[in-house]
Amino acid sequence: SQQGEEDPQALSIQEGENATMNCSYKTSINNLQWYRQNSGRGLVHLILIRSNEREKHSGRLRVTLDTSKKSSSLLITASRAADTASYFCATPHRETSGSRLTFGEGTQLTVNP
Amino acid sequence: DAGVIQSPRHEVTEMGQEVTLRCKPISGHNSLFWYRQTMMRGLELLIYFNNNVPIDDSGMPEDRFSAKMPNASFSTLKIQPSEPRDSAVYFCASSWAGEGFEQYFGPGTRLTVT
Repeated sequence: SQQGEEDPQALSIQEGENATMNCSYKTSINNLQWYRQNSGRGLVHLILIRSNEREKHSGRLRVTLDTSKKSSSLLITASRAADTASYFCATPHRETSGSRLTFGEGTQLTVNP
Repeated sequence: DAGVIQSPRHEVTEMGQEVTLRCKPISGHNSLFWYRQTMMRGLELLIYFNNNVPIDDSGMPEDRFSAKMPNASFSTLKIQPSEPRDSAVYFCASSWAGEGFEQYFGPGTRLTVT
């Protein structure tokens, strides 16, 4: 399996409900990032959580990180139809020169009005 | 800042033709990434540059693909000759290779090869 796997692959909820997506990774990291992709658009950075943080909030987003389990979760509270998108977790890999992110396969979230 | 700019937004071409995709990264960013996204394979990293130097091109599928970054504000991805299986959305992203490595994506180029 790949670094940065999201679970579930697809999630369908009603407006107002909370949505939780999970991500697992394999190697040690110094941070983990979540991105959103609306249909037909590029990915947009949502939030970054550092390896020494356990929880982080940004508006209706709450991210947790458990480095012992190599997993993270993204919670969207009080979901809206506009939250319908694909959500990706990504982990950075610093190399000798430069850096890259490894993206998971994403969770497709559908919020029904 | 206008963000990452890609052109064209849509490209339809016939098999065998040369295709050139263009990207202008965010000013001040020193890393640039080319990705390809399809339903079947998801998001794939093709190549990335740091300070205009190609660091890893192991994701470039074949010799038909080439990428250049002649300066800090411009990069191209070329496919020659193009094939129907190259049909995908190609994204360019840039970042500052400091702490975090958050990437900023362009709107993508939707390529259709018939």
